[in-house]
Amino acid sequence: AQKITQTQPGMFVQEKEAVTLDCTYDTSDQSYGLFWYKQPSSGEMIFLIYQGSYDEQNATEGRYSLNFQKARKSANLVISASQLGDSAMYFCAMREANTDKLIFGTGTRLQVFP
Amino acid sequence: DVKVTQSSRYLVKRTGEKVFLECVQDMDHENMFWYRQDPGLGLRLIYFSYDVKMKEKGDIPEGYSVSREKKERFSLILESASTNQTSMYLCASPGRGADTQYFGPGTRLTVL
Repeated sequence: AQKITQTQPGMFVQEKEAVTLDCTYDTSDQSYGLFWYKQPSSGEMIFLIYQGSYDEQNATEGRYSLNFQKARKSANLVISASQLGDSAMYFCAMREANTDKLIFGTGTRLQVFP
Repeated sequence: DVKVTQSSRYLVKRTGEKVFLECVQDMDHENMFWYRQDPGLGLRLIYFSYDVKMKEKGDIPEGYSVSREKKERFSLILESASTNQTSMYLCASPGRGADTQYFGPGTRLTVL
């Protein structure tokens, strides 16, 4: 069965430091997609970054990068130069092959302190 | 700009009431999804639809039904609300590209 695992319920990071949020996945499919979303206290799900299983380069979007290690089945999110506004829940998700259904991890609550 | 909207941000209902949660997307997409979010459990798929009049059960469909009469609108129905349906409900509609999935702002439902 397909599964996403986020083992860090909570993380703390000081402003301007980098932080890595862990995500591992389990699938037997060859084609899949991996997403990271940010959810602030307002509740909206904000798309951050996407990595396709066939993409050879790690995805980057501004201060966000995805450290994709296919053999280890990991897709960690790296946030560089953390800001106070980065404090939120972060979810890793996988799109099933040939569908648009997303399977989510349980999330990591990131708190950035001054 | 792409948009997924949900009818209410906050909703309070009583046990046994029939509850409608509505989701509208303006992207002319076929696919629409309803997820439920609970602390420590992440988001779980309730129902989804690939076309008008079409619906498929997700992982936790019990106690819910859906309606899709028009392409842009996907409704989640709680026939008889119960306290264990108190949760955050999120609607999503994937984009045409592989890397796009758009969510509505969510509805926080409380059943008393």
